[in-house]
Amino acid sequence: EVQLVQSGAEVKKPGESLKISCKRSDFTTSWIGWVRQMPGKGLEWMGIIYLGDSDTRYNPSLQGQVTISADRSITTAYLQWSSLKASDTAMYYCVVPLRGGHNYFDLWGQGTLVTVSS
Amino acid sequence: EIVLTQSPGTLSLSPGERATLSCRASQSVSSRYLAWYQQKSGQAPRLLMYDASSRATDIPDRFSGSGSGTDFTLTISRLEPEDFAVYYCQQYGSSPYTFGQGTKLEIK
Repeated sequence: EVQLVQSGAEVKKPGESLKISCKRSDFTTSWIGWVRQMPGKGLEWMGIIYLGDSDTRYNPSLQGQVTISADRSITTAYLQWSSLKASDTAMYYCVVPLRGGHNYFDLWGQGTLVTVSS
Repeated sequence: EIVLTQSPGTLSLSPGERATLSCRASQSVSSRYLAWYQQKSGQAPRLLMYDASSRATDIPDRFSGSGSGTDFTLTISRLEPEDFAVYYCQQYGSSPYTFGQGTKLEIK
């Protein structure tokens, strides 16, 4: 059974950088996306990357604030910040759409909690 | 960007009752590209429905979806104790893919 395994919780200070990861367990090349959930709030699609060629799409509301990247050889996607803000505090889920070309999300990672506080 | 508005914000019902959750879009969702998710406290969301009315793998048939255009509905025919959770709709007809703000289904 394919799983998405995310890196562990992080506690950072404002201004610090961070890169979190999501590994697909079955080594299949696919799209992997990221969804943000701020404390006590709903879900927000951040963007998606294709592991095969790193083709990346961003939610325009977040473009420039984060970078999505991937390493095809280890079927892993990354979400990166160069300078964290307190408002980046959230749970971040990686997601996979199993049906090509249709971006609803069959698979979800366990989530990575990012806390940014001085 | 398509804005999805879910109603009600909170729904209080008893086990065995029927639940009807609504999701309204600010513009037409192409090809009925609407999904529903269930999220229990402390867990990742789980896909329930896609293409407005298709059940995801292993989802019981007490869950059903309907709708088209701008109005969509998730119905749970007879509530089981494990169904009390937060439900989100999501459109994937146009990017950016957007979610509703959620409906909390709580035990009355």
